[in-house]
Amino acid sequence: LAKTTQPISMDSYEGQEVNITCSHNNIATNDYITWYQQFPSQGPRFIIQGYKTKVTNEVASLFIPADRKSSTLSLPRVSLSDTAVYYCLVGPMGRRALTFGSGTRLQVQP
Amino acid sequence: GAVVSQHPSWVICKSGTSVKIECRSLDFQATTMFWYRQFPKQSLMLMATSNEGSKATYEQGVEKDKFLINHASLTLSTLTVTSAHPEDSSFYICSATFSGQGGRVHTDTQYFGPGTRLTVL
Repeated sequence: LAKTTQPISMDSYEGQEVNITCSHNNIATNDYITWYQQFPSQGPRFIIQGYKTKVTNEVASLFIPADRKSSTLSLPRVSLSDTAVYYCLVGPMGRRALTFGSGTRLQVQP
Repeated sequence: GAVVSQHPSWVICKSGTSVKIECRSLDFQATTMFWYRQFPKQSLMLMATSNEGSKATYEQGVEKDKFLINHASLTLSTLTVTSAHPEDSSFYICSATFSGQGGRVHTDTQYFGPGTRLTVL
C-alpha cells in the first residue's frame, strides 16, 4: 500500500478555506485516494474519494494533479465544528483494508 | 445511506471476563467488514478482515484466540474480546464495505461505525 505523508497539524479561523495536502509518491495505477474525518471518540467519517483531476461534493473538493503523487483536500469556509483529524488514505478499491497514517489535526478557531 | 452501527457504544468490564461487540450495516449488505483498534492520541490500527461466511484474517500480532470474530450474515459482524485484561482497554471501530452497484453507497468504500469504548478494570 502506498505510504502517505500529511502535515501533523493545521490551524485556521472560521470562514476561511482550508487546504490539506497529502503526498503519496508511490501511488499505484489502481489506487484511489480517500479522505476521512474523525472527531474524538467517534469512528472516521467518509468525506470524499477520487482517482484523478477534481472531485467535488457537498462538503469538500479533492484536487489530484496529473501525476497523482499528491492530493489536496479543500474545505470551503470552515467552522468550529470542522475541528477534527483528517486522514488521507491511498489504496485499491475493493475488499482491502486501509492503512491509516497519523492524519492531520485541524484546529479551527473563532 | 451507508450507516454502520456498533453496540454497545461503551462497556466497562472486570479483568478476565469476555466482551462481545456487534457491528451492523443498517442499509446495505456488507460483504467485507474490518475491525480496528485505536489507542488515545493514536491512529487506527487494523486488527482483522472479515468476509461473510468465512474465517477472519488477522493482522500480525493480533491473537485470533483472544479476539474472536464472527461474520455470520451480510449485515452483522461480532468481535469478542475473551479474557479481557486492562491492556485491552481501547476504542474498537468496525467498518463495512458494499460491493453492489448504484445507490448512495459508494461501492468498495469503507464506512465506519461509531466505535466502542472498552475499559477493562
